[in-house]
Amino acid sequence: AQSVTQPDIHITVSEGASLELRCNYSYGATPYLFWYVQSPGQGLQLLLKYFSGDTLVQGIKGFEAEFKRSQSSFNLRKPSVHWSDAAEYFCALYTGGGNKLTFGTGTQLKVEL
Amino acid sequence: NAGVTQTPKFRVLKTGQSMTLLCAQDMNHEYMYWYRQDPGMGLRLIHYSVGEGTTAKGEVPDGYNVSRLKKQNFLLGLESAAPSQTSVYFCASKWRGQTMNTEAFFGQGTRLTVV
Repeated sequence: AQSVTQPDIHITVSEGASLELRCNYSYGATPYLFWYVQSPGQGLQLLLKYFSGDTLVQGIKGFEAEFKRSQSSFNLRKPSVHWSDAAEYFCALYTGGGNKLTFGTGTQLKVEL
Repeated sequence: NAGVTQTPKFRVLKTGQSMTLLCAQDMNHEYMYWYRQDPGMGLRLIHYSVGEGTTAKGEVPDGYNVSRLKKQNFLLGLESAAPSQTSVYFCASKWRGQTMNTEAFFGQGTRLTVV
């Protein structure tokens, strides 16, 4: 069965430190993967997406993600975190007919000043 | 550039009341979706539609009904609201297909409380 796992419920980093948010997926076909960010009380904003080709994907706000098929992972990274990056981050995968999105349970990022 | 618009943004219902959430998109997208977001559970798909006049069940469809009479609108109905339906509801839409430019666009959400 298809699924997305985000192992870390909460992560706290200091401003200026590097960040890596983990995402693992289970899917029997070619995965199409996404990272979304949600600020408190807001909707979801797409950070980046992987469809095919280069396994290192660049997104908005200085984020990048690396697709590793052998590890079934699509981890999100940022070299230097800003206080404004504090939000909840969701990894998602297209599954089945209708291009339905299956989401992970999210990782809440807190940034310490 | 309205994108995906959800109405209303907030609502408080009493148990047993009914209501309809409206999702409207102005991007001529074929596919539309309703998700609910609950703490610690991410977003879960309630119902979706791949075109005008068609709907299908998602992961958590019980207690909800939907209709897509017009391509641009996707309605989510609660016939008899229950406290378990307290949640934040998100609508999304996208082009048909899975190419680089067919990601889903989300509305701002509807916060529903059932008391």
